[in-house]
Amino acid sequence: DAKTTQPPSMDCAEGRAANLPCNHSTISGNEYVYWYRQIHSQGPQYIIHGLKNNETNEMASLIITEDRKSSTLILPHATLRDTAVYYCIVRGGYSGGSNYKLTFGKGTLLTVNP
Amino acid sequence: EAQVTQNPRYLITVTGKKLTVTCSQNMNHEYMSWYRQDPGLGLRQIYYSMNVEVTDKGDVPEGYKVSRKEKRNFPLILESPSPNQTSLYFCASSTAGELFFGEGSRLTVL
Repeated sequence: DAKTTQPPSMDCAEGRAANLPCNHSTISGNEYVYWYRQIHSQGPQYIIHGLKNNETNEMASLIITEDRKSSTLILPHATLRDTAVYYCIVRGGYSGGSNYKLTFGKGTLLTVNP
Repeated sequence: EAQVTQNPRYLITVTGKKLTVTCSQNMNHEYMSWYRQDPGLGLRQIYYSMNVEVTDKGDVPEGYKVSRKEKRNFPLILESPSPNQTSLYFCASSTAGELFFGEGSRLTVL
């Protein structure tokens, strides 16, 4: 798996957009970008994933640069409950015998302040 | 309800006493995996399985065994636990997409 680089921590004001960056400069053509978050010591929770195009779901938006070397997770209106560690991961697609050694890294601790 | 169930959730044991942490998923997923989480080190993959009878090492497999005899179950076996295996363990399953994680098993080896 390609490695990712994330800032160790970020702060955001409640109600504002939280923009979490991720660098994955060694990503290969068939690797997806996935985002998860972990609240306290609970099991990580899936947020969103994408390959090339920007993606949006009910939780967040994912912006992937044209060269695919970096991406940004956007929480449009952060709440206190969004305080968590956010992990950016790249992983291969399921077809074609991809590498399943997923590396989570240390993630970004997002603290949403009142 | 789609879920990944781990047991036990909490366990305190002693060095050398074999233990098994069970993991079961009800989503018919082919892929299952085990992770451990330690302060400052993030989530590290121990073993994964792409299907029944197909398993492979992750990043930190030493001291652990796994088996995948049925699609729904993927137990993690510590044959001779040591204090450095004190950790929070997560099981996960997946099909072509997101990983579903269990709630974690906190293991302490004295």
